[in-house]
Amino acid sequence: IQVTQSPSSVSASVGDRVTITCRASQGISTWLGWYQQKPGKPPKLLIYAASSLQSGVPSRFSGSGSGTDFTLTINSLQPEDFATYYCQQANHFPRTFGQGTKVEIK
Amino acid sequence: EVQLLESGGGLVQPGGSLRVSCAASGFTFSNYAMAWVRQPPGKGLEWVSTISGNGDETYYTDSVRGRFTISRDNSKNTLYLQMNSLGADDTAVYFCAQQYYYDSGKYYISWGQGTLVTVSS
Repeated sequence: IQVTQSPSSVSASVGDRVTITCRASQGISTWLGWYQQKPGKPPKLLIYAASSLQSGVPSRFSGSGSGTDFTLTINSLQPEDFATYYCQQANHFPRTFGQGTKVEIK
Repeated sequence: EVQLLESGGGLVQPGGSLRVSCAASGFTFSNYAMAWVRQPPGKGLEWVSTISGNGDETYYTDSVRGRFTISRDNSKNTLYLQMNSLGADDTAVYFCAQQYYYDSGKYYISWGQGTLVTVSS
């Protein structure tokens, strides 16, 4: 199962709302996770099961979708949110990640 | 606090072998499946392999099957990845990750800092 993210990069300002989409090549119910990665650091799980917020993750992050189309939304972008975000399909082997979306400062 | 500490990375010649390790602490290691995920320099994430909590089940991505072997020693709380017949495409930071199971989905809830494997002559 392939997962395709868009856009590959987005420029935004502090306070903006940012939306990242992930499309699976076939239906994956809600078996999708979202990760944040900053340079030189390991990824961090933000969202699991498409819309469940991982403990400790700020509520400005939210996820939605099921089947083939998923969305990660960051409300009121904060300086610490500038990073690369990946989706991951979580039920089929091989596990697959999206190509990543880099959120950059405008 | 969960800690995952990888070691064993380094420079290896094409065709060579290397074993990377991941020492785990802060959780009951044998209760969790574990995975290796790699990231080539400047590129995205690629799942490599997963092993069940008791070590009985292993899974690999196609590009490493037959060359890499994942294993674990639950008495030592340590995960391993034995890598043979290495090629330039295997150059990457290798992360170990703790798998979290929720409603049939498998997510990577904790990650190590990674160990860099460079395949070059």
